[in-house]
Amino acid sequence: NAGVTQTPKFRVLKTGQSMTLLCAQDMNHEYMYWYRQDPGMGLRLIHYSVGEGTTAKGEVPDGYNVSRLKKQNFLLGLESAAPSQTSVYFCASSPTGTRHNEQFFGPGTRLTVL
Amino acid sequence: QKEVEQDPGPLSVPEGAIVSLNCTYSNSAFQYFMWYRQYSRKGPELLMYTYSSGNKEDGRFTAQVDKSSKYISLFIRDSQPSDSATYLCAMSGTSYGKLTFGQGTILTVHP
Repeated sequence: NAGVTQTPKFRVLKTGQSMTLLCAQDMNHEYMYWYRQDPGMGLRLIHYSVGEGTTAKGEVPDGYNVSRLKKQNFLLGLESAAPSQTSVYFCASSPTGTRHNEQFFGPGTRLTVL
Repeated sequence: QKEVEQDPGPLSVPEGAIVSLNCTYSNSAFQYFMWYRQYSRKGPELLMYTYSSGNKEDGRFTAQVDKSSKYISLFIRDSQPSDSATYLCAMSGTSYGKLTFGQGTILTVHP
């Protein structure tokens, strides 16, 4: 049982390049989330999904797109990377019902945009 | 003003001390309150989970929620060097587990 995994662990991009971050979970959770973490800002929600085929905007969605084609995977895309998107990105998942707030996090992806 | 305010510290204490970490919030719709622990270069892990007001104890950790004051606390008794981490408070209303996090408090427990 690997929990939540993220690929890649590190990445350096040039301004204007695109990339996709992959999140996978093996806990059969319905809900999945993408956060970014910046110094002094805590974790901020980018996008989230309440089930396969559904996505919704979070607090800071601009410049990002997401897809949830399979229940176990949640992809985060940057179409044209900007230096302001330099951050650590975390994926999380949670079950439904009374435990829907118990989010399990992946190890993170450190992204630098030059 | 942020919905959730947390003193970023850093906080440095000797081993064995009692640690108090706090968050205040402004959104009265928050009903679920959590504390996450994050070790350096790792993802956050859920430490404590409480619903509405009251106390919850788990080993050396106690979480308190005072909804009337919009104030939550995490107490760590007999702190250990292994408790050195960033502690994040998080809160939610009722919708789909959308959490609002505090900025995190960096804690160092020195031997």
